[in-house]
Amino acid sequence: EPEVTQTPSHQVTQMGQEVILRCVPISNHLYFYWYRQILGQKVEFLVSFYNNEISEKSEIFDDQFSVERPDGSNFTLKIRSTKLEDSAMYFCASRELAGVDTQYFGPGTRLTVL
Amino acid sequence: SQQGEEDPQALSIQEGENATMNCSYKTSINNLQWYRQNSGRGLVHLILIRSNEREKHSGRLRVTLDTSKKSSSLLITASRAADTASYFCATVSGSARQLTFGSGTQLTVLP
Repeated sequence: EPEVTQTPSHQVTQMGQEVILRCVPISNHLYFYWYRQILGQKVEFLVSFYNNEISEKSEIFDDQFSVERPDGSNFTLKIRSTKLEDSAMYFCASRELAGVDTQYFGPGTRLTVL
Repeated sequence: SQQGEEDPQALSIQEGENATMNCSYKTSINNLQWYRQNSGRGLVHLILIRSNEREKHSGRLRVTLDTSKKSSSLLITASRAADTASYFCATVSGSARQLTFGSGTQLTVLP
C-alpha cells in the first residue's frame, strides 16, 4: 500500500541553524500539508501546498518557514533559523483529490532544537 | 475557537471491553474524521463520517455523529492491547481542507 515517507526520523540541531525536513507524499496525490505537534499538545496545521504554491498557511507559519516541491516527488519544509520552541514532531500529509478529505500522514520527524 | 475537543482525556480499560470516546466541535462541518496515533508515530486515518450520516461502521469501529449537538463518538468494541493509542477527531476547514484536530483521548487497553 502506498505510504507517505519522511526523513530524517529525528533531527537534532542548534538554535539558529537551518533545518530541512523532507517528505515523499503518495505519488498520485495532489494536495500536501505540514503539521506539527509539540510534545503533549494538539496536532496543529502549518501549511498546505497545491499546484506548486502555498494554498493556505496558519499563523505559526511565519517568515522563518518555507516549503518547496523541488521535483515531482519530494516536498520539503525549511526552518531558516530554528528556535527552542520549534522543537516538535513535524508531520507531512497528502490528499488525493478535491472532494476527498482523507489525509495520509507520514511517520513524522522529531525535531529537537538545543 | 477550538474544533474537535475529545473526552475523556484518558481512558483505561481491560482487554475485551468496549471503549467509547467523544468529540465535540463548534462550527458546521461537511464531515468528521477519526485518526489514531501510536506513541511517537504518525496519524492513521480510521474512519470518516459525513454530515448527512448518523452512524458508520468499520470492523470493530462504530462512529456516530449528531450534528444538532455538534458531537461525535467513536466506539471500539472488544478492545485489544494493540488498540492502545491516542485517538483524535478532526474537522476540515479552510479552502485547503486542512484538518483541525482535537486534543485527543489516550486509550490504554490492559491485557
